[in-house]
This record gives sequence, C-alpha cells and structure tokens, in this order.
Amino acid sequence: GAGVSQSPRYKVAKRGQDVALRCDPISGHVSLFWYQQALGQGPEFLTYFQNEAQLDKSGLPSDRFFAERPEGSVSTLKIQRTQQEDSAVYLCASSSYRDSNQNYGYTFGSGTRLTVV
Amino acid sequence: DAKTTQPTSMDCAEGRAANLPCNHSTISGNEYVYWYRQIHSQGPQYIIHGLKNNETNEMASLIITEDRKSSTLILPHATLRDTAVYYCIAIGRGTSYGKLTFGQGTILTVHP
Repeated sequence: GAGVSQSPRYKVAKRGQDVALRCDPISGHVSLFWYQQALGQGPEFLTYFQNEAQLDKSGLPSDRFFAERPEGSVSTLKIQRTQQEDSAVYLCASSSYRDSNQNYGYTFGSGTRLTVV
Repeated sequence: DAKTTQPTSMDCAEGRAANLPCNHSTISGNEYVYWYRQIHSQGPQYIIHGLKNNETNEMASLIITEDRKSSTLILPHATLRDTAVYYCIAIGRGTSYGKLTFGQGTILTVHP
C-alpha cells in the first residue's frame, strides 16, 4: 500500500481482556518499529524488527506485551490482561533501510488508540 | 543520543515564517539532527535532517549553528495545516538501527 496501515483505529477493552493490534508496513520495508504514546506525551519506543527477527524489545513495559512479525511483513502487538495504564496510542513505523547508514526518516501509521476501561 | 530541549509552545501568523528552535548542547560528532512533526490524530511525519550543513527541502529548512549546539527549523510560509507538535531529535549514525527518542516537542499553533 501507499502507507503504513494500522488496525483497528480505535479499541476499547475491558480491564483484563487481551487485545491484538495490527500493523501493515509499506511493502518491502525491512525495518518495523512499535511505539507507545500516552496522552500529551511524545512517542516512546517499544520494539524493533528487522524482517522477521525481533532485534530489540527493550521498550516493552512488561511481559504482558508481546510482538511478532512471523513472515517479515505484517506485525501484531499483543497485550495480555490489559490494565488501565495500557491506555495509549500505539504507533507502527517502517523503513526500507536496515543497516548503519540508514536514513531515520521513517513512515508512521496513524496509530491505534487503545482505551482500557 | 544527545538530549534536546525545545520550547513548550509557539505561535505564528499564517503566511509568516515559523522558526522553531532546538538546543542540543551535548550533541556528538556523529549525531544527526532530525525533525518530525505530529498533526493531531496522526502519526509522526518526517520533515528534514542534517549533520552540520544547512539543509532545505520542499517542506522546510534546517539551520544548524557552527558549533552544532543548536538548530532552527524554518517553515517559510506557515499555513493552518502546519499546526502540529514538532519534535527535534538527535540520533547517531553507525548503529544498526535508529531508536527515536521524541521528547515533549514544541506545540506550534498557526493563527489566521
């Protein structure tokens, strides 16, 4: 597609429910990132994939958060047993670069707004 | 990556130039300055980046001081659609990938 697509656009979950957020990166993009953005704050890094390999998951806030990209294209961010503090916008970004000379001009999706009630 | 400091908010009249400052006094020699913006309800959008020379593209100009301790993003003719949060990020090349640290950014409001 022309851009990074994320679905659903909005998600309301009851506390304790599991959720899955989907990211369709730009076709052929090697690098994929997930960020979390709390209300009024800048985005914060969660995890990074290069193709299907998850090279950095240092930003995942707890073991309730899990991300995968099994075929190196679509990625899913899963949150188990959601809590109110998980309420945020979850952003996905992709890039065609993967090496040390990459341009950090990533393309972001519009995000999924998760509200835990 | 070096810490960046930006004003919390700025105003600009439509049609005038918007000059957004960023302080990055601890920037190292291999760190680039990147600018992104985030319009309400959208994801961040890449604007421009530079190392030490001034840069210009179709969206904006980036002026970096000679000592590289600060920079200014210039939107030459601001429109209402430029109202957004602008983020200045210092990030080093030579790592295997770029983990962006956004900070709080500057809320730019363009007035009619």
